[in-house]
Amino acid sequence: DIQMTQSPTSVSASVGDRVTITCRASQAISSWLAWYQQKPGKAPKLLIYAASRLQRGVPSRFSGSGSGTDFTLTISSLQPEDFASYYCQQARSFPVTFGGGTKVEIK
Amino acid sequence: DVQLVESGGGLVQPGRSLRLSCAASGFTFDDYAMHWVRQAPGKGLEWVSGISWNSAGIGYGDSVKGRFTISRDNAKNSLYLQMSSLRAEDTAFYYCAKDITGDTDMVTLDYWGQGTLVTVSS
Repeated sequence: DIQMTQSPTSVSASVGDRVTITCRASQAISSWLAWYQQKPGKAPKLLIYAASRLQRGVPSRFSGSGSGTDFTLTISSLQPEDFASYYCQQARSFPVTFGGGTKVEIK
Repeated sequence: DVQLVESGGGLVQPGRSLRLSCAASGFTFDDYAMHWVRQAPGKGLEWVSGISWNSAGIGYGDSVKGRFTISRDNAKNSLYLQMSSLRAEDTAFYYCAKDITGDTDMVTLDYWGQGTLVTVSS
């Protein structure tokens, strides 16, 4: 199985900050990576797919990059509604696997 | 609007069975692969199972293989998860999710239901 390792597990940031979350795959997955946002008590929401494609309706302050084993989710200017947990997910092969998550908290 | 509504969760004793359902609307159900993802309270996301548009492609997570069975009824726009030999570690919110394609070779989940809670306890 492909293991997905996210870092950091949590980050404290202020509104307007640039936030970067990384995800590393245990083997190459090309660009088969998605990022999700989850707020407490809610279902996850797709932000980015195919490593860098922005899902329709997602603000452009979110961006994704990377290929192979190393990937990044960047929030260019953190907004109050962005405080949430973020998960990466590899789509390269079964079984599908998620990273452990990164919680973005208010500083 | 796309809607996915899960049902069938509840309290069940270890070793027993339970069947989850997901009613889909707002899109052409038989064009898309569908999945189950779970989340234990306070924990991260775990993919459980996925099924292609025509049921030809099916996969399971290692922790449920041999105990859970996914199926779909395209005539009823419904997805199912038959869970047997349930264990305490199966306790979680179970989400139904829609894939962006009909096949299961590039899993990307663009719509999710609100989840149904399964609690396995004596």
